[in-house]
Amino acid sequence: GAGVSQSPSNKVTEKGKDVELRCDPISGHTALYWYRQSLGQGLEFLIYFQGNSAPDKSGLPSDRFSAERTGGSVSTLTIQRTQQEDSAVYLCASSLGGGRNQPQHFGDGTRLSIL
Amino acid sequence: DAKTTQPTSMDCAEGRAANLPCNHSTISGNEYVYWYRQIHSQGPQYIIHGLKNNETNEMASLIITEDRKSSTLILPHATLRDTAVYYCIVRVGNTGNQFYFGTGTSLTVIP
Repeated sequence: GAGVSQSPSNKVTEKGKDVELRCDPISGHTALYWYRQSLGQGLEFLIYFQGNSAPDKSGLPSDRFSAERTGGSVSTLTIQRTQQEDSAVYLCASSLGGGRNQPQHFGDGTRLSIL
Repeated sequence: DAKTTQPTSMDCAEGRAANLPCNHSTISGNEYVYWYRQIHSQGPQYIIHGLKNNETNEMASLIITEDRKSSTLILPHATLRDTAVYYCIVRVGNTGNQFYFGTGTSLTVIP
């Protein structure tokens, strides 16, 4: 079946602009995660959605970052007034549930470059 | 938070078994061990996970020591396409909903 789909695959924008990144999770997966990966670094957790529960936003680095998940499916990560340090690969993952025994399945990410 | 330690890099001859070790000495009783791999410019790919019993699937085998302080991922017949960075992960976070990816092991399969 279809995996996690992210768009765009690449995004180049000027410092100060707002960007929106989209994630389509695997159908039927109730849990959705956003991470970012800087060059040569591990994954940094950003935010987690599980069903209708309030999202875990503990990983968002600043108030310029926000995310929503409409209808329990598609999610959008928004970065306002982008800065050069926001340049990274933004990865989305989904899992069948939020339990510890549920693997997360990742998309191929959006490579964001801030000029 | 339970962290993992892996060798930085390893080589393996094509067709031979690749054995990738991981130490997770601070793992707690309800934390699973997950293995992922990442090929350049792609997202992490799930391989296998386990709690305390050894596990096997179509991609690999996972051997977890009895004290759960270490594990080994085994790729039984490595191919060139198995060249990737392999991450051993113990779920962390208040509800186990965050993955902590370390620097992983860069595996190179040699023809």
